[in-house]
Amino acid sequence: GQQVQQSPASLVLQEGENAELQCNFSSTATRLQWFYQRPGGSLVSLLYNPSGTKHTGRLTSTTVTKERRSSLHISSSQTTDSGTYFCAMDDNYAQGLTFGLGTRVSVFP
Amino acid sequence: EAAVTQSPRNKVTVTGGNVTLSCRQTNSHNYMYWYRQDTGHGLRLIHYSYGAGNLQIGDVPDGYKATRTTQEDFFLLLELASPSQTSLYFCASSDWGPQNTLYFGAGTRLSVL
Repeated sequence: GQQVQQSPASLVLQEGENAELQCNFSSTATRLQWFYQRPGGSLVSLLYNPSGTKHTGRLTSTTVTKERRSSLHISSSQTTDSGTYFCAMDDNYAQGLTFGLGTRVSVFP
Repeated sequence: EAAVTQSPRNKVTVTGGNVTLSCRQTNSHNYMYWYRQDTGHGLRLIHYSYGAGNLQIGDVPDGYKATRTTQEDFFLLLELASPSQTSLYFCASSDWGPQNTLYFGAGTRLSVL
């Protein structure tokens, strides 16, 4: 089945720093979505981006479909950005998304 | 905003017990999903459905049954619960095709003693 690998596993930032999260997957994505989760919380969709570049607020996702990779850039990090970021994709619209293990981000003042 | 409601939010049962987790979506979405989340494994798909009466097997279906009674309601059944099923369970819904994102419920934390 499809596989999703995220890196780094964890990241420590000082407030104001930028961060780049990586996602690589084993098959061509038809759907690709980035999620955010606070400890013990639900998953919040950040960006839906199966190809190209998408922006929302301080977040930018770039997906290169042919190379089977996507990135999430966080600019000017804030303490409220702390949490775990998941990349999820599928190669077939008719099944559930496969998730990576996530990148845990900690932002300190 | 799309809405997915899970109940109960927390559940404790004993080994061998029966548990039913409920999920309702009011998004008119065709697809509904059950995931479990465990440390070191991320989120894994248990079952999913693309309409009332339909059930598809996910990646980790063993020990779980599911039933989609209406377009809105999707249930996850653990008929002989085991400690290995202690987990955080999420329900999600989506429509079909591109540009259709997943919307998640708040989760149900299940402990099997």
